[in-house]
Amino acid sequence: GAVVSQHPSWVICKSGTSVKIECRSLDFQATTMFWYRQFPKQSLMLMATSNEGSKATYEQGVEKDKFLINHASLTLSTLTVTSAHPEDSSFYICSAPRQVNTEAFFGQGTRLTVV
Amino acid sequence: GENVEQHPSTLSVQEGDSAVIKCTYSDSASNYFPWYKQELGKRPQLIIDIRSNVGEKKDQRIAVTLNKTAKHFSLHITETQPEDSAVYFCAASHLLTGNQFYFGTGTSLTVIP
Repeated sequence: GAVVSQHPSWVICKSGTSVKIECRSLDFQATTMFWYRQFPKQSLMLMATSNEGSKATYEQGVEKDKFLINHASLTLSTLTVTSAHPEDSSFYICSAPRQVNTEAFFGQGTRLTVV
Repeated sequence: GENVEQHPSTLSVQEGDSAVIKCTYSDSASNYFPWYKQELGKRPQLIIDIRSNVGEKKDQRIAVTLNKTAKHFSLHITETQPEDSAVYFCAASHLLTGNQFYFGTGTSLTVIP
């Protein structure tokens, strides 16, 4: 079964509002989680590394004030898309590894549509 | 940072034929190379992976080869079946940063019955 759970699976929001996406590791502790963004028919683009107990590390070109990441516990990381705009519409997906350099388990993804 | 290139972007094969997808990476420190299969609207699923201390790994109809010197690795699917149709992504993981995966651009594989 799934070991990483992501919620919600899909969300539609109005332009200017904020949306929170949760990523949970179900049966292991994850000190590190990763957030990706995927546009239709494109690859997964790493957005940021979520670190439990410290600030997230953002990839170049990703606005940290736009995409707020909080890793409040060893099993939960949240991504908040602030002041969402239509161009933020995308498939957001998280992943968490059990151990370094081993299989990364992916959440089921969140389809965000901003209208 | 790491740059992973993947070819081809689309691939069509007849059922029963083999399919080969190739990836190159730029960072010689990368030491873990997974391959993921993603069906439309679903999460990526690991199908096979290889570490830098191994040159080849096989799991039934799927195999991966790694050439560290040339910094490229390939996915081989033999005896393809229609259910193999999906998008396949390669990825590279950097030794020092752990499981930050840098993905290739994806290959859309279509197996024609």
